[in-house]
Amino acid sequence: AQSVTQPDIHITVSEGASLELRCNYSYGATPYLFWYVQSPGQGLQLLLKYFSGDTLVQGIKGFEAEFKRSQSSFNLRKPSVHWSDAAEYFCAVGAGTSYGKLTFGQGTILTVHP
Amino acid sequence: EPEVTQTPSHQVTQMGQEVILRCVPISNHLYFYWYRQILGQKVEFLVSFYNNEISEKSEIFDDQFSVERPDGSNFTLKIRSTKLEDSAMYFCASQRGVGTYEQYFGPGTRLTVT
Repeated sequence: AQSVTQPDIHITVSEGASLELRCNYSYGATPYLFWYVQSPGQGLQLLLKYFSGDTLVQGIKGFEAEFKRSQSSFNLRKPSVHWSDAAEYFCAVGAGTSYGKLTFGQGTILTVHP
Repeated sequence: EPEVTQTPSHQVTQMGQEVILRCVPISNHLYFYWYRQILGQKVEFLVSFYNNEISEKSEIFDDQFSVERPDGSNFTLKIRSTKLEDSAMYFCASQRGVGTYEQYFGPGTRLTVT
């Protein structure tokens, strides 16, 4: 069974600083990987996804993530954080079929200081 | 941009009562899902639904739960006799179809069982 670990429960950065949120997964085959963001009172918004091909994927809002098979990681990055990026971020792995459940990490809460 | 909608946003019910949570998936999507998030815990998969039948369900999805697509637009989750531990945020998600893997989430329904 697949699993996802987000080691950091809460991260605080200053506005304009760079950001990296960590995600490690466990899955026997090539995973489908996702990052979602949840602002207070909102649903889960898809930031980016990795299925195959280029291991560096670009998403919305200036985010990117890099798939590293050797490290079983899919870390999310942003070069310069904006105050509006404050939210909770979830990494998720999908099963290897065209449909299937997503398994989520426990989330990382991002606080942005002015 | 099309989005998944859910009603109500907040439902309070007494233990033992039946509740129906409603979702309107994105109109041309074919796969539908329910997830839940108990406060402070991970988002957990409940059930997936395709072609008018359940594709997969988790061990959480016992006989107290059922799903239905009563017409061409709605997708519902019914809990027959609610328990205190059913209190959670329930998310509906939809996915376009074969060859696509990303799921789009609604804003959630917060269910409080007293």
